[in-house]
Amino acid sequence: ETGVTQTPRHLVMGMTNKKSLKCEQHLGHNAMYWYKQSAKKPLELMFVYNFKEQTENNSVPSRFSPECPNSSHLFLHLHTLQPEDSALYLCASSQVGQSGTYEQYFGPGTRLTVT
Amino acid sequence: KQEVTQIPAALSVPEGENLVLNCSFTDSAIYNLQWFRQDPGKGLTSLLLIQSSQREQTSGRLNASLDKSSGRSTLYIAASQPGDSATYLCAVRGGNEKLTFGTGTRLTIIP
Repeated sequence: ETGVTQTPRHLVMGMTNKKSLKCEQHLGHNAMYWYKQSAKKPLELMFVYNFKEQTENNSVPSRFSPECPNSSHLFLHLHTLQPEDSALYLCASSQVGQSGTYEQYFGPGTRLTVT
Repeated sequence: KQEVTQIPAALSVPEGENLVLNCSFTDSAIYNLQWFRQDPGKGLTSLLLIQSSQREQTSGRLNASLDKSSGRSTLYIAASQPGDSATYLCAVRGGNEKLTFGTGTRLTIIP
């Protein structure tokens, strides 16, 4: 596979469940991102991992827990979510170098519904 | 704090027409600006990236311009086709390396 892949594509979970979203990039990039896209709102950056180190946590509630075991894989662990967390969760990757950050490539997203 | 605005929120045009989508941003200290396309329920596809030192970029029927000093960018689509129907998002990269997105313009091309 090429590009950025995400699994599952759709997820329905109850507020007491624990689930994980997975993202994998096949582009050789060294930075990965989680974004949240809610209806009628701009994409919101949640987390940034640069060389496997978390460099950004954009005031995200602790019920979202990211994990980046290597530069190709990124997880988002979910527990005790709220209905307002229902959204499209997008993963992206990019190459970060001395001259800056190059364009980001996005996965297809996971459509999450919290019941 | 950087804010990105896209107007209009929705646009419908007949097939074959040329059209322009607008993007404005409040902080002109940007590294680059990126235009994306998003189909319903799908991820984002990068269309064009303009570095802050550039004025425009072209790819096929698409042409994006950047006027950094006035905080504006436009995406020009020539000879529109029904397959161009999607939401178009503009995003700017600032000094903190983050991408700030607009809310998008939902484009419908009428056959």
